[in-house]
Amino acid sequence: EDKVVQSPLSLVVHEGDTVTLNCSYEVTNFRSLLWYKQEKKAPTFLFMLTSSGIEKKSGRLSSILDKKELFSILNITATQTGDSAVYLCAVEVEYSGGGADGLTFGKGTHLIIQP
Amino acid sequence: NAGVTQTPKFQVLKTGQSMTLQCAQDMNHEYMSWYRQDPGMGLRLIHYSVGAGITDQGEVPNGYNVSRSTTEDFPLRLLSAAPSQTSVYFCASSPRFDSFHQPQHFGDGTRLSIL
Repeated sequence: EDKVVQSPLSLVVHEGDTVTLNCSYEVTNFRSLLWYKQEKKAPTFLFMLTSSGIEKKSGRLSSILDKKELFSILNITATQTGDSAVYLCAVEVEYSGGGADGLTFGKGTHLIIQP
Repeated sequence: NAGVTQTPKFQVLKTGQSMTLQCAQDMNHEYMSWYRQDPGMGLRLIHYSVGAGITDQGEVPNGYNVSRSTTEDFPLRLLSAAPSQTSVYFCASSPRFDSFHQPQHFGDGTRLSIL
C-alpha cells in the first residue's frame, strides 16, 4: 500500500523564522512528488519534483527530493503571517497504462505563523 | 478559461438520499479524479479516470459511482448517502501524457453534510 508521511503535523513559529517541513514516502511506480498549500479552499500547487537532488525554488520557498532515501523537504525562509496554511505533500504514481495516476497525500502540516 | 468547476459548493442531505456532485474542466485534460478530505486527514482518492469511457477505483471507492462520457465532465454519484460521507469533496484534472508534466489542478470543493 502506498504511504506518505508528513512531519510535524502542526507547527507554530514566529514571523521571520525559517521552517522545514518533512515528507517521507513508500510507493510503487513513483512518478513525481508534489507540494501543495491549502488555505480555506482548494489546494494550490507549489512544486513538483521528479529528479533527486535538484532544488526547486520560488521566492522564499524551496524544496528538494531525495529518491534514494525516499523523502522531500519544503523550506520557508523569513516566514510571514500569510504563510499560515496546511502544507500537503503528495506522491504521483505511474498508471499501469502509462502516464499520470492518482495522488497519495500525506495528512498535511498545519503551519501557524504568529506576528 | 474557468479551469476546474465544481457544483454545488454546499449541500445538506438526509441519510439514504442520493445526489450527484458535478465536476467540469475546460482544459481538455485526459485525467480527472475525485478526492475527499476529512478533518486532520490529507486528501484520499475516491475514483479517477484517464480518459472518456475509462474509470477506476482509488483508495476509498465504496458508496460512490462515477462515469466519464465526455472529456470535460466527471460526475460523482452518492447512491444512498450515509453520515460517514460527510466531507469536503475535491475534483482535480491534469493532462495524462504531457511532456511538460503538469500538476493536477483542483476545483474549489463541495462541502457535503449528511444528517
